[in-house]
Amino acid sequence: GQNIDQPTEMTATEGAIVQINCTYQTSGFNGLFWYQQHAGEAPTFLSYNVLDGLEEKGRFSSFLSRSKGYSYLLLKELQMKDSASYLCAVKDSNYQLIWGAGTKLIIKP
Amino acid sequence: SAVISQKPSRDICQRGTSLTIQCQVDSQVTMMFWYRQQPGQSLTLIATANQGSEATYESGFVIDKFPISRPNLTFSTLTVSNMSPEDSSIYLCSAVPGDTEAFFGQGTRLTVV
Repeated sequence: GQNIDQPTEMTATEGAIVQINCTYQTSGFNGLFWYQQHAGEAPTFLSYNVLDGLEEKGRFSSFLSRSKGYSYLLLKELQMKDSASYLCAVKDSNYQLIWGAGTKLIIKP
Repeated sequence: SAVISQKPSRDICQRGTSLTIQCQVDSQVTMMFWYRQQPGQSLTLIATANQGSEATYESGFVIDKFPISRPNLTFSTLTVSNMSPEDSSIYLCSAVPGDTEAFFGQGTRLTVV
């Protein structure tokens, strides 16, 4: 079966750095996505990795290792507005998105 | 990119009734997707809607309960039929206009009483 694992919840301090991990087992791989979802809102796209390595976009970076079936989302200089759920999703061989359960990130002052 | 307008944004419905949710995309897309999301949980795919053919439903979802229309490449509807309190959830439509990220409508928060 297809499976995506990420921690249920994480807590971090404003101004700090946090890394949210995602491991996946899917039938085929056509890219990995990270989305941010604030409570009561729709998910918004953060990053896309299809090749191994690090993609940096401002305060957010995403890393992928296809051989390990592993990705992480790195958030730097955390702000209170970063409190949200972060969803990891993999596009499989049928180009269908397989979603993780999401990681709820709590930022404390 | 794509902008998806979804309505209604929320509704409170009586059990046994039906609600139709609409999504309008600002560009033509081949496939649209309908998801359900319970509070605090991730997205569960209900069905994939292709223009000109019947929707493809995921395990646990059936056409009689969740009929879908896809009359053209920019529009789709999902109907939640014969509702019960267990259908209370957030319903989201999504489209992938290119070969990369998915875009979402604003979501419909449904409460069945």
